[in-house]
Amino acid sequence: GENVEQHPSTLSVQEGDSAVIKCTYSDSASNYFPWYKQELGKRPQLIIDIRSNVGEKKDQRIAVTLNKTAKHFSLHITETQPEDSAVYFCAASPADSSYKLIFGSGTRLLVRP
Amino acid sequence: ETGVTQTPRHLVMGMTNKKSLKCEQHLGHNAMYWYKQSAKKPLELMFVYSLEERVENNSVPSRFSPECPNSSHLFLHLHTLQPEDSALYLCASSQDTSGREQFFGPGTRLTVL
Repeated sequence: GENVEQHPSTLSVQEGDSAVIKCTYSDSASNYFPWYKQELGKRPQLIIDIRSNVGEKKDQRIAVTLNKTAKHFSLHITETQPEDSAVYFCAASPADSSYKLIFGSGTRLLVRP
Repeated sequence: ETGVTQTPRHLVMGMTNKKSLKCEQHLGHNAMYWYKQSAKKPLELMFVYSLEERVENNSVPSRFSPECPNSSHLFLHLHTLQPEDSALYLCASSQDTSGREQFFGPGTRLTVL
């Protein structure tokens, strides 16, 4: 089955710097890759997603890139702000069981003011 | 009430107790999910229901018993739990099961004594 690895587990950046979180997946047939943000004590919420027919997607300060050949995808946050501090989860959805989201282990991002 | 709601928000139970977690979605979605979130496995899929039919039972012990009486409601019945079952139990819903955004509820924080 699908397996998703996420790195780093923790990331600390200075406000205004960029943050990059990387994920790799094992099932080459996976075709949907969302990113969720979970603030402390809150529910996970989708912040951006990408499908396998697209290489990059951007929404203001956040972007996701997908490399299907290498089976990895990354979340990029530019001009980080303290409110970006949270745990970020990547996920992959296998094509043969599209109802599933296989989540990575999460990255705790701390933006220092 | 909008979105996905869960009750109770906190639950403490003994190993011999029987309790139920409730989830309700007000989004008109057709798919609902139970996840377990713990320090060991941050977002672990337990069950998936599509149009009230279970489509996934992810090797979950029988002491967890899901019920989906209609597309808006999902229950998780608990009995003879173990202390290692202490975790945050998250419910989610999506429009269907074809690889789309999942909307999460706030979770039930369960402690098993």
